[in-house]
Amino acid sequence: EDQVTQSPEALRLQEGESSSLNCSYTVSGLRGLFWYRQDPGKGPEFLFTLYSAGEEKEKERLKATLTKKESFLHITAPKPEDSATYLCAAYTGGFKTIFGAGTRLFVKA
Amino acid sequence: SAVISQKPSRDICQRGTSLTIQCQVDSQVTMMFWYRQQPGQSLTLIATANQGSEATYESGFVIDKFPISRPNLTFSTLTVSNMSPEDSSIYLCSVVTGGTDTQYFGPGTRLTVL
Repeated sequence: EDQVTQSPEALRLQEGESSSLNCSYTVSGLRGLFWYRQDPGKGPEFLFTLYSAGEEKEKERLKATLTKKESFLHITAPKPEDSATYLCAAYTGGFKTIFGAGTRLFVKA
Repeated sequence: SAVISQKPSRDICQRGTSLTIQCQVDSQVTMMFWYRQQPGQSLTLIATANQGSEATYESGFVIDKFPISRPNLTFSTLTVSNMSPEDSSIYLCSVVTGGTDTQYFGPGTRLTVL
């Protein structure tokens, strides 16, 4: 069965304390790996798509990487405004997308 | 990416009633989907809204409970019928535009059923 697992469930950081969020996936035929940011009470906001192992994408303090079994979202020197839930999702084609449960990130000033 | 709006943004409803949620996109899109996100949980796909034909429902979701319409390429509605407190969730529409596989989400409708 296709599955996407994110860890940790919650992460508390001090401002400026870099860290990484993990997304491990077990799917048949990965076509793409998506990362989203979701603020409380809002819809997910698209961040990145990764298509192949070794690919990296960057946006401000965020960098996403992909291997054959997992993806990482690295957060460098986070700020309080980076606090949100980060979702990853595995796309297997035919518009079938499997979402992880998310990592809730709290950044304290 | 497309600009997506949903109405209403939130509502509080009595059990046994129905609510229709609208999703409007500012451009024609290839695919439209409806998701449910229960408190503290991730997204669960309810159905794919097909233009001009019946929606395609995921396991565990039925048309009588969640009727969906998509009369054109920019608009869809989801009705939550005969509501119970277990239907309290955020309901999200998402779209895929031509040439990409990426889903973009609307702002969501927060539904509370008393």
